[in-house]
Amino acid sequence: KAGVTQTPRYLIKTRGQQVTLSCSPISGHRSVSWYQQTPGQGLQFLFEYFSETQRNKGNFPGRFSGRQFSNSRSEMNVSTLELGDSALYLCASSPGLAGTDTQYFGPGTRLTVL
Amino acid sequence: GEDVEQSLFLSVREGDSSVINCTYTDSSSTYLYWYKQEPGAGLQLLTYIFSNMDMKQDQRLTVLLNKKDKHLSLRIADTQTGDSAIYFCAGSNFGNEKLTFGTGTRLTIIP
Repeated sequence: KAGVTQTPRYLIKTRGQQVTLSCSPISGHRSVSWYQQTPGQGLQFLFEYFSETQRNKGNFPGRFSGRQFSNSRSEMNVSTLELGDSALYLCASSPGLAGTDTQYFGPGTRLTVL
Repeated sequence: GEDVEQSLFLSVREGDSSVINCTYTDSSSTYLYWYKQEPGAGLQLLTYIFSNMDMKQDQRLTVLLNKKDKHLSLRIADTQTGDSAIYFCAGSNFGNEKLTFGTGTRLTIIP
């Protein structure tokens, strides 16, 4: 079975731009969660989607948004980029609700904001 | 919210056992996980334990859970150079889907 895939793997943007990251979960998995990893803040939960509905959201500003499609693929969007948004963005999938099933992570998208 | 703490660094000689420790504040954590992250890579699930268990062994990995002290540990037997990575413990609660991660412990293997 193929693992979680994320595209693109690397991105360079400038302040004020917006960006969309994509995550394809493991086949059959219905839950997708997003995390931000920075040296200063560590790994922080962004949000989780299950069956196209956002079920849980972390403590991030409204510039961070996401969605999930009927095939369980998910996208994350960050608008009006700031320097502090530079991070590794990780996506994880699980068969059911992430609180009840183990989450498997993708390789991440490294976003650099200049 | 939950806080999860780990020591930042651990150095171990090749062939010795590594013990990585984690403490957490939320006693209602239902699932506790250990993830491994190698440079430039995502997180690899190593093992997990349910809160109603005290110990779980999986080949070279042994997880110990002390619920009274809210302490979780990961023991890696016969540590190899390929075990060099950052190890994260994480917890989640039934019905609350997010994972709360520790700061990560960087394991360095001394030849």
